[in-house]
Amino acid sequence: EIVLTQSPATLSLSPGERVTLSCRASQSVSYFAWYQQKPGQAPRLLIYDASNRATGIPARFSGSGSGTDFTLTISSLEPEDSAVYYCQQRTKWLWTFGQGTKVEIK
Amino acid sequence: QVQLVESGGGVVQPGRSLRLSCAASAFTFIGYSMHWVRQAPGKGLEWVAIISYDEVTTYYADSVKGRFTISRDNSRNTLYLQMNSLRAEDTALYYCARDWSSGGYFDYWGQGTLVTVSS
Repeated sequence: EIVLTQSPATLSLSPGERVTLSCRASQSVSYFAWYQQKPGQAPRLLIYDASNRATGIPARFSGSGSGTDFTLTISSLEPEDSAVYYCQQRTKWLWTFGQGTKVEIK
Repeated sequence: QVQLVESGGGVVQPGRSLRLSCAASAFTFIGYSMHWVRQAPGKGLEWVAIISYDEVTTYYADSVKGRFTISRDNSRNTLYLQMNSLRAEDTALYYCARDWSSGGYFDYWGQGTLVTVSS
């Protein structure tokens, strides 16, 4: 099973700041995505295929990386971006998620 | 607008069974594979199972293999999860999610149904 390790566990930043979240896979992955989950809500697909924004996702969200190292960047943090962010991979018929990074707004 | 509505959760004793349902609307249900994903209270996301659009193929996480069965009724636009031999560690909010793209991403999610396994 491919293990995804996200860092940091928690981030506390001010509005307007640049945010960089990391996700490292235990082995190379083919299909990779990022999700956002706000309290009391279902997760929402943000980025798929490592770098493509899903429908309706603001341009301040971007993804990069390949193989085992991936990054989610929020170019300018907005108050509504307070959430937990999960990375996710699919290999053959097995899907796994990272443990999540909580982004807090100062 | 795509809608997924889960039901069937509740409190159940260890070792007992429960069946969850997920009613889909506003999209061609038979055209998509479907997943169950769960989230223990205060914890992260865990993929549970997938069923192909034509019901032919199913896969499970090791943690539920042999105890849970995913199925669907395309005539009723409904996804199911039969959960047997439930354990305390199965306590979670269970989401159904639509499979999208060759990458198998979860593009639409329901709001979840809570399963609590407790004596």
